[in-house]
Amino acid sequence: DAKTTQPTSMDCAEGRAANLPCNHSTISGNEYVYWYRQIHSQGPQYIIHGLKNNETNEMASLIITEDRKSSTLILPHATLRDTAVYYCIVRLNNAGNMLTFGGGTRLMVKP
Amino acid sequence: DVKVTQSSRYLVKRTGEKVFLECVQDMDHENMFWYRQDPGLGLRLIYFSYDVKMKEKGDIPEGYSVSREKKERFSLILESASTNQTSMYLCASRYSGTNTGELFFGEGSRLTVL
Repeated sequence: DAKTTQPTSMDCAEGRAANLPCNHSTISGNEYVYWYRQIHSQGPQYIIHGLKNNETNEMASLIITEDRKSSTLILPHATLRDTAVYYCIVRLNNAGNMLTFGGGTRLMVKP
Repeated sequence: DVKVTQSSRYLVKRTGEKVFLECVQDMDHENMFWYRQDPGLGLRLIYFSYDVKMKEKGDIPEGYSVSREKKERFSLILESASTNQTSMYLCASRYSGTNTGELFFGEGSRLTVL
């Protein structure tokens, strides 16, 4: 799996958009970008994934650059409950067994 | 909603004890996984199972074994617990036919070995 690089921590004001970047410059053509988050003392939670098109669901939007070397997870209106560690992972879609999470970005949403 | 339930949120055991961590999922998923999570090391895969009675070693299987006698249940066994097995253990499941690769996690079991 391609390696990802994320900032260690970020702050965001409540109600504002949180934009979490991820670099994955060695991603291969058939690897997907996945985002999970982990709220303190809970298991990781799937947020969204994509291959090359931008994606949106009820939780977030995923913007993938045209060269696919980086992506941004957008939480449009961050709430205090969005305070968590956010993990960006790139991997093949048919290999759910090996999932390497890395350090992630600790997002702190402040009132 | 998919629910992955781990039997114990917090356990304290002594060195040498046998420890069972149970995981049950209610969505008929074929694939189930056990990870451990340690500060600075992310999630590391211990064992996974593609289907009933099937098991495969992950990255760090030493000191652990697993059992998958029923589709909904995947157990992690520490035959003789050691202090370096103090960790957060996370169970996950996945439908093998999905193209999302999405894993559903339980809330974790924090094990302390004294």
